[in-house]
Order: sequence, then structure tokens, then C-alpha cells
Amino acid sequence: QVQLVQSGSELKEPGASVKVSCKASGYTFGTYAMNWVRQAPGQGLEWMGWINTNTGNPAYAQGFTGRFVFSVDPSVSTAYLQINSLNAEDTAVYYCARDCHGCIAFDYWGQGTLVTVSS
Amino acid sequence: QSALTQPASVSGSPGQSITISCTGTSSDVGGFSKVSWYQHLPGNAPKLMIYDVDKRPSGLSNRFSGSKSGNTASLTISGLQAEDEADYYCSSYTSSVTVVFGGGTKLTVL
Repeated sequence: QVQLVQSGSELKEPGASVKVSCKASGYTFGTYAMNWVRQAPGQGLEWMGWINTNTGNPAYAQGFTGRFVFSVDPSVSTAYLQINSLNAEDTAVYYCARDCHGCIAFDYWGQGTLVTVSS
Repeated sequence: QSALTQPASVSGSPGQSITISCTGTSSDVGGFSKVSWYQHLPGNAPKLMIYDVDKRPSGLSNRFSGSKSGNTASLTISGLQAEDEADYYCSSYTSSVTVVFGGGTKLTVL
């Protein structure tokens, strides 16, 4: 069965970096795009962008350029989200979500990774 | 890209039907048949309920249905059940080759 398993919660100081992983199983990794979605405390879902898991080519939503980096390692069927120069506003739950083959909808989601930025 | 507009909350009694609206523009909801709906229970991952405006993923209850008219999409839940209580989000593909979510609607089953 399809599963997306994300890495555990992180507590980071302002200015640090964090790398969240999303390990896929149960399907051919490179045939489905992977998206990243953020939910800040008390807020709604926010689409961050997506990565072509076959080519590794990322695309970022407005507001997620510069400090945010999507990458993949097909050899271990894993997608990554790295956030640099963390600040308090980056405190949120981050989800990876698989695109259902061109339908621009997310059929499988990771369990979410809480990133807390605090000194 | 501004978030799609959803009511902050809706409520209904068991057995009733409710509809959640999702209003965008001709650059997103009105321009494409790529509207999706997600159910989100706190602490859980969101769950896809509707895609391509009105399609249900395999195995999903037919109590959930989607539709669209102009720039507004709608999710209807019929035969409301206590387990339907959750946050619901719409999303749409946009002319900027991006995805935009709605602000979310909290459904309360009375």
C-alpha cells in the first residue's frame, strides 16, 4: 500500500537550518510528483510548491523562494524539504503530498512534521 | 495568489445535508476543472475527498459530492454523520501554474 513517512519533529533556533524527509513506499517513486504543504499554528493549508521526482526539477510557490529547497533521492525513494535561515514564522507542520498523476490533487499525504523555531 | 474564499464554519444535524462553498476567480476555480476537496482532522494528515470538481477517489462514500458553477465550487455532504466533523479545504489549479487552497471551513455536527 502507498505510504509517505516523514521524519520526526524538530526544534531549531532562529538562523538554523532544518531538513525534513518524506520516504515513499508502495509505488514507483519517480512516476508521481511530490508536493509540500505548510500549516502554521491556527492557520489553514498553504501550498509551498512541488518537485518532479523523475528529473528533480522543483517549482516554488510565491513566498517560498530563496530559503526553501526541495530535493529528491530516487535511490531511497525519498523527498526532502530544507529550510534555511529559520525564523519564528517558519514554525508549522509541514506535509509532503503525492500528486495523483496529473490530476492536480493530492491523494496520499505524509503524517506531517512539526518544525518549531524558538530560542 | 490569494486564498480561495470559504465560510469559516458550517454546521448541521445528523442526517441533514450541508454544502460548503469555495469562491475563487476566473484564473483558478472558474478557469479549470481542477478543484479538489480535503477533509482534515486535527493531528491527522488531510484526506482527499473530491478531485477534478466532482470525482470521488475509489472507496469514498457517495455521501460526498462536488460541483462547480462559474467561479464557485461546492462540496455537499449528505446524510451527515458525527464522524464527518472536521475541517474541510478546497484547492484549485491556477493560471500561474500553481495550486491555491481555501482558508478552510470547520464543520460541526450538532
